[in-house]
Amino acid sequence: QLQLQESGPGLVKPSETLSLTCTVSGGSISRSSFFWGWIRQPPGKGLEWIGSIYYTGSTYYNPSLKSRVTISVDTSKNQFSLKVSSVTAADTAVYYCARHSEYSNSYYFDSWGQGALVTVSS
Amino acid sequence: EIVMTQSPATLSVSPGERATLSCRASQSISSNLAWYQQKPGQAPRLLIYGASTRATGIPARFSGSGSGTEFTLTISSLQSEDFAVYYCQQYNNWPPLTFGGGTKVEIK
Repeated sequence: QLQLQESGPGLVKPSETLSLTCTVSGGSISRSSFFWGWIRQPPGKGLEWIGSIYYTGSTYYNPSLKSRVTISVDTSKNQFSLKVSSVTAADTAVYYCARHSEYSNSYYFDSWGQGALVTVSS
Repeated sequence: EIVMTQSPATLSVSPGERATLSCRASQSISSNLAWYQQKPGQAPRLLIYGASTRATGIPARFSGSGSGTEFTLTISSLQSEDFAVYYCQQYNNWPPLTFGGGTKVEIK
């Protein structure tokens, strides 16, 4: 059974870089047919897609965050990672990693991690 | 960017009653729409994809319909475990993938 688990610091200072890693178990991240993505949810608010990566390293980002976001993949560790630079309080959120199909007309998220709360505060 | 609008923001329903949730897209998305359920402190769970196909293990009381710009999620007879927030997501045009603002289904 596929499992995703987010990890990383729960507190980040303003203007610094937020870094999270998603570890995938129960399946290979190198398996074709899937993208691996990040979604965030500010406290009490809705869901925002941040970006997705294919095992080859191809990435797609939300234009609203693209200038500050980098997603990378490490197939040897079965992990993918998120970096958000120059964070402010507005980046405080629960960050989820999730999987979606690579096939057009199938970009819905069928497996999710439990989420990691990241607070931006000095 | 395709904007997804959900209504109502909150729906008060008694157990055993029917709940009807709406999702509207700012432009046609064909049937490329998913619905998720989220309970407090949990990750979203996929309920419906392709506007009307139930995901694995989802009870038959959940049904989806619509195409183009207007979509509906219906819960035929609300059970206690169904009180949650529901989100729609379009995947017809990306980037970005976009979600609606959510509908909270609460106990009346």
